Amino acid sequence: DAGVTQSPTHLIKTRGQQVTLRCSPKSGHDTVSWYQQALGQGPQFIFQYYEEEERQRGNFPDRFSGHQFPNYSSELNVNALLLGDSALYLCASSLVRAGRTGELFFGEGSRLTVL
Amino acid sequence: GQQVMQIPQYQHVQEGEDFTTYCNSSTTLSNIQWYKQRPGGHPVFLIQLVKSGEVKKQKRLTFQFGEAKKNSSLHITATQTTDVGTYFCAKTGTASKLTFGTGTRLQVTL
Repeated sequence: DAGVTQSPTHLIKTRGQQVTLRCSPKSGHDTVSWYQQALGQGPQFIFQYYEEEERQRGNFPDRFSGHQFPNYSSELNVNALLLGDSALYLCASSLVRAGRTGELFFGEGSRLTVL
Repeated sequence: GQQVMQIPQYQHVQEGEDFTTYCNSSTTLSNIQWYKQRPGGHPVFLIQLVKSGEVKKQKRLTFQFGEAKKNSSLHITATQTTDVGTYFCAKTGTASKLTFGTGTRLQVTL
């Protein structure tokens, strides 16, 4: 049973460029959340996708966008990259049950460096 | 910014010593989760606490949820080098949204 898989694992971009990160959730999970983790800090919620729609969004600018596909996989896109976007981007999958928050299963992350 | 504070930020212990990290919120929590992140790794779920005053144990780890549901603690008895990592508490919001605490980094030496 594959866990959460993310690609690429590492990438380097320059300011102003655009990046797309990909995530496949754990088998049987229908919800994907994306988190940004800067060095030495806790993960910060970016947004969550369920049934191919963005359900919730954290305090991130519109440069951050996403998508969920019918097979539940997801992409995170970041446009007009800034130096401050350098971070570990974590994808987490879960199976949402009404009224309860279950555990999140995190992928290994994509480490983005913006030069 | 972070709404959940953890103390201490960092602790260095000798193997065999005990360790405790505390998680404090200014608001009442519906429930709280704990995660461990090894150096260079990703967060791994440890436990979820739901009830006021709840205490749960996992081998050498003891988790506690405060009576007022505004704080929580994780205590490790007789630390081992495998306990090295950063421990995060996370408050749960609607659906699967988590707000992570500031984290406590644990270093264990022989």
